[in-house]
Amino acid sequence: GENVEQHPSTLSVQEGDSAVIKCTYSDSASNYFPWYKQELGKRPQLIIDIRSNVGEKKDQRIAVTLNKTAKHFSLHITETQPEDSAVYFCAAPKAAGNKLTFGGGTRVLVKP
Amino acid sequence: KAGVTQTPRYLIKTRGQQVTLSCSPISGHRSVSWYQQTPGQGLQFLFEYFSETQRNKGNFPGRFSGRQFSNSRSEMNVSTLELGDSALYLCASSLGSSGGVNEQFFGPGTRLTVL
Repeated sequence: GENVEQHPSTLSVQEGDSAVIKCTYSDSASNYFPWYKQELGKRPQLIIDIRSNVGEKKDQRIAVTLNKTAKHFSLHITETQPEDSAVYFCAAPKAAGNKLTFGGGTRVLVKP
Repeated sequence: KAGVTQTPRYLIKTRGQQVTLSCSPISGHRSVSWYQQTPGQGLQFLFEYFSETQRNKGNFPGRFSGRQFSNSRSEMNVSTLELGDSALYLCASSLGSSGGVNEQFFGPGTRLTVL
């Protein structure tokens, strides 16, 4: 089955700096890679996703890059703000269907 | 559109009891997936239902079961509760169309505590 590794597990950055979270996956047939943000006590929220036919996708201060050859994808947050503090999860699907395998999560702390 | 809703939001049960959780997906979405979230194991897939049929299943014991109704609402049931079943149970709603993976949107979760 799919295996997703996420690093780092915790990340502390100064407000205004950039944050990068990396994930690797094992199933070469995976073709969809979402990122979720979960604030304390709240539901995971889809913030950006990428499909395997593109290498990069941006949405304001957030970007995701995908390297299918190396089987890894990364989340980039620029100009971090205190409200970016949360746990971020990457995920990859089993080749068929909506079964998502999640990474272990990265706790991001943005220090003002 | 209304978002994904789950009931109840909180539950306290004792070992050996059973529990039923409910999830109403976004209108028009036909797929409902269930996940268990714990501090130790993270987010783990339980099962997915699409058009009233279980389409995918995770690695959980048979005590965990689910079903989906014709209006796409889904329930999951846990029988013979164990202390380790204490967790946040999340459902995720998606269009579920065939041919690929769809964006999944999570509900607020049901916090289950087993004493």
